[in-house]
Amino acid sequence: AQKVTQAQTEISVVEKEDVTLDCVYETRDTTYYLFWYKQPPSGELVFLIRRNSFDEQNEISGRYSWNFQKSTSSFNFTITASQVVDSAVYFCALTSYGSSNTGKLIFGQGTTLQVKP
Amino acid sequence: DADVTQTPRNRITKTGKRIMLECSQTKGHDRMYWYRQDPGLGLRLIYYSFDVKDINKGEISDGYSVSRQAQAKFSLSLESAIPNQTALYFCATKTGYSGELFFGEGSRLTVL
Repeated sequence: AQKVTQAQTEISVVEKEDVTLDCVYETRDTTYYLFWYKQPPSGELVFLIRRNSFDEQNEISGRYSWNFQKSTSSFNFTITASQVVDSAVYFCALTSYGSSNTGKLIFGQGTTLQVKP
Repeated sequence: DADVTQTPRNRITKTGKRIMLECSQTKGHDRMYWYRQDPGLGLRLIYYSFDVKDINKGEISDGYSVSRQAQAKFSLSLESAIPNQTALYFCATKTGYSGELFFGEGSRLTVL
């Protein structure tokens, strides 16, 4: 079975603090893809990153960075020097490339991040 | 204009009524999906379709039906709406196994 767990339901930080959002996944497939999406208060879902299971290099994009560790089945997301505009719900998701693959994404429960001025 | 368009964006209805949510896309993707979002539960898959002749149930298909009228159109129906179907519904498209989902702006449905 495939599963994505985001244990942090809500996080509140003060602007300029660094914050890490945790994501732990389960899959039996050896080839899979992990995603992060952002849902701002306006409600749309914004794609942030995709990472495949063969690439464990960390990635940095501006204030955003992602730490992928297969050994712990984790794909954590860090926002450096957080800003009020980062306030949103963040979703981690998984899709596997196996015999049962359908291309569907399995989502975690989401983490609500509130950045206070 | 959005690449994935959902109508209506907001709808309030009563228990027992039939409701249709429509989705159209201009991205040319074969794969289309309907997800439901509930607080604390993330997004859960209702139905998905790989082409007009291939429709599959997701994890929470009971109480829902879909129609793939064309490659670009995928509609979700609630034959007899009930209050626990109150949720935010998203249509999405993708290409291939590994690609990311492209989401519509969501349809907020309230069943009284």
